[in-house]
Amino acid sequence: DAGITQSPRYKITETGRQVTLMCHQTWSHSYMFWYRQDLGHGLRLIYYSAAADITDKGEVPDGYVVSRSKTENFPLTLESATRSQTSVYFCASSGTTGAFRGYTFGSGTRLTVV
Amino acid sequence: KQEVTQIPAALSVPEGENLVLNCSFTDSAIYNLQWFRQDPGKGLTSLLLIQSSQREQTSGRLNASLDKSSGRSTLYIAASQPGDSATYLCAAGGQNFVFGPGTRLSVLP
Repeated sequence: DAGITQSPRYKITETGRQVTLMCHQTWSHSYMFWYRQDLGHGLRLIYYSAAADITDKGEVPDGYVVSRSKTENFPLTLESATRSQTSVYFCASSGTTGAFRGYTFGSGTRLTVV
Repeated sequence: KQEVTQIPAALSVPEGENLVLNCSFTDSAIYNLQWFRQDPGKGLTSLLLIQSSQREQTSGRLNASLDKSSGRSTLYIAASQPGDSATYLCAAGGQNFVFGPGTRLSVLP
């Protein structure tokens, strides 16, 4: 199906573990983004990517790693999970062909670090 | 640095009312502004996108306007319904959006 999908939908992990959240889009959008959403902080940008092999830090990148070897995939890795990384993570994409068409979001991954 | 605020933070209205949600941004040199809806425990659904050359967009009972000179956008919801209850977020910027904190709307039957 066309769209942007995130997996897993829910994840519980232990402190210190490495966790990877997946994001896949089928539109060949050039831009992809990772946000976290927390009560009292709203949506905060973690990392974004303008194209394959091009990534850049957002507002809160510490403790996270991203890669983008293929246009359609943008995984987010927590190298050593901490309780403060308990959050809801959203992936989004937007294209650059023609007029800007806005962001499209995935359904989110709810991550709990215990 | 772009900052986006939304007023009010929460709003409760009876069904049928027309209402206005406000979004303010500090950098008037934005290119685009997008309004989203978020239901509890769900992702963000795009409602309206106002591109740089536009001043307003309409979709059904929703109308969004953009005034770059004053740094404001408004989302107008006509004849509100209980199904409109959700959090509404605005986002402003170029290719990288900055999001507001949202307005939590409750429409009472």
